[in-house]
Amino acid sequence: GDSVTQMEGPVTLSEEAFLTINCTYTATGYPSLFWYVQYPGEGLQLLLKATKADDKGSNKGFEATYRKETTSFHLEKGSVQVSDSAVYFCALAGYSTLTFGKGTMLLVSP
Amino acid sequence: KAGVTQTPRYLIKTRGQQVTLSCSPISGHRSVSWYQQTPGQGLQFLFEYFSETQRNKGNFPGRFSGRQFSNSRSEMNVSTLELGDSALYLCASSLEAGVREKLFFGSGTQLSVL
Repeated sequence: GDSVTQMEGPVTLSEEAFLTINCTYTATGYPSLFWYVQYPGEGLQLLLKATKADDKGSNKGFEATYRKETTSFHLEKGSVQVSDSAVYFCALAGYSTLTFGKGTMLLVSP
Repeated sequence: KAGVTQTPRYLIKTRGQQVTLSCSPISGHRSVSWYQQTPGQGLQFLFEYFSETQRNKGNFPGRFSGRQFSNSRSEMNVSTLELGDSALYLCASSLEAGVREKLFFGSGTQLSVL
């Protein structure tokens, strides 16, 4: 079945550091891929998405590229801010539902 | 436009009890999905409702059930609560069924089973 594997956290960075959160997936076919973000005490918000191979999703300085060859969708940001502290979930759209990774907590210190 | 509203925000129950959680989708959205979030298992799909009909169900025991009303509001029920049911229960709505790319999530109901 479908599965998503994310790097375990927490990821601890200083403000303005470069961020990478790894995500790989297993699925039949070529599913759409997503990154969701969950701030403390809130639900999930869609951060970015890519619907086909080589697509790059981007939003709020975050980027991720759909790599079919490596079945990956790594999240990157060039310069993180304290306000980016949250839990980040990689997900894929399967036949009938979304399959999520277990989430990676990001902590950014001033 | 109001977002997805889940009530109550927090619940404390004891083993063996039952609980009902409520979700009001974004106005105009007809599909409601439910997810369970735990530290160990992450986010797991419970079920999806569209036009008062359950379209999909995840791999959860029959103690977990749901329904959707004609105004698209949805409830989920868990009977005979177990300690392992402690989790954040998230509801998500979308305009149509099976539209995984346009899901809007509520803030969740945090259920603690003692």
